[in-house]
Amino acid sequence: GEDVEQSLFLSVREGDSSVINCTYTDSSSTYLYWYKQEPGAGLQLLTYIFSNMDMKQDQRLTVLLNKKDKHLSLRIADTQTGDSAIYFCAESNNAGGTSYGKLTFGQGTILTVHP
Amino acid sequence: DGGITQSPKYLFRKEGQNVTLSCEQNLNHDAMYWYRQDPGQGLRLIYYSQIVNDFQKGDIAEGYSVSREKKESFPLTVTSAQKNPTAFYLCASSTLRRGLGTGELFFGEGSRLTVL
Repeated sequence: GEDVEQSLFLSVREGDSSVINCTYTDSSSTYLYWYKQEPGAGLQLLTYIFSNMDMKQDQRLTVLLNKKDKHLSLRIADTQTGDSAIYFCAESNNAGGTSYGKLTFGQGTILTVHP
Repeated sequence: DGGITQSPKYLFRKEGQNVTLSCEQNLNHDAMYWYRQDPGQGLRLIYYSQIVNDFQKGDIAEGYSVSREKKESFPLTVTSAQKNPTAFYLCASSTLRRGLGTGELFFGEGSRLTVL
C-alpha cells in the first residue's frame, strides 16, 4: 500500500528558514498536501501541489516536488515562533472515483522555533 | 460559518465502558472520516463513509463502530473491545465531486479520550 515518511523533529532559530522533507511511494499520487497542527487542535491545510507541478510558492511557503525521487519538501521562510507546530505531509490518488478524498499521511514533523 | 464540530473535546472513561464521539459537519460534504492520532505515529484511518447508510473499515477498525444515518453526522463509538483506546480522535470530511476541490480533508478540532 501507499507509504509516506517524514523525519520526526526539526529545530530552527527564529528568522531562519525551515525545510521539512517527505518521501512517498505511490507513483500515481495526484495531489500532495501539507497540513499544520497546533497543540490540541485539528489539522489545517497549509498548501497543496498537483503532481504535474514541480514548485508552488505561497507567501512564506515554498513547496518543491521531485516526482522522479518521490520527494516533497516544504520551506518556510523567516520562521516565526508561531510556526511551531506539527507538519504533516499527505498524498492522495484521485485518479479512481472511489479513492477521491482518501489521503495517506506521514507521521508528522514537530517543528520547534527558538527565539 | 461552515465547518466540522467534534464533541466532547475531552472525555474520560473507565475500562469496560463504551463511549461515543460526536462529529457534525455543515459543509455539505459527501465523505466523512475518523482518524486516530498517537504520538509519533501520525494519523491512522479508523472508518470512513462516502454516502449515507454506508461505511468502510479503515486500517485500524477493530474495537470501533460507526453509523451514518444523516449526511451531516458520523458518530464513532469506542467499544470496550478496543484494547488501547486512549488517544486523540480526529473527524474529517471531504467532497467527492471533482471540480469542487482537490479532495483535501477538512478537520474538526479533535476529541481526546483518556481511559482510567
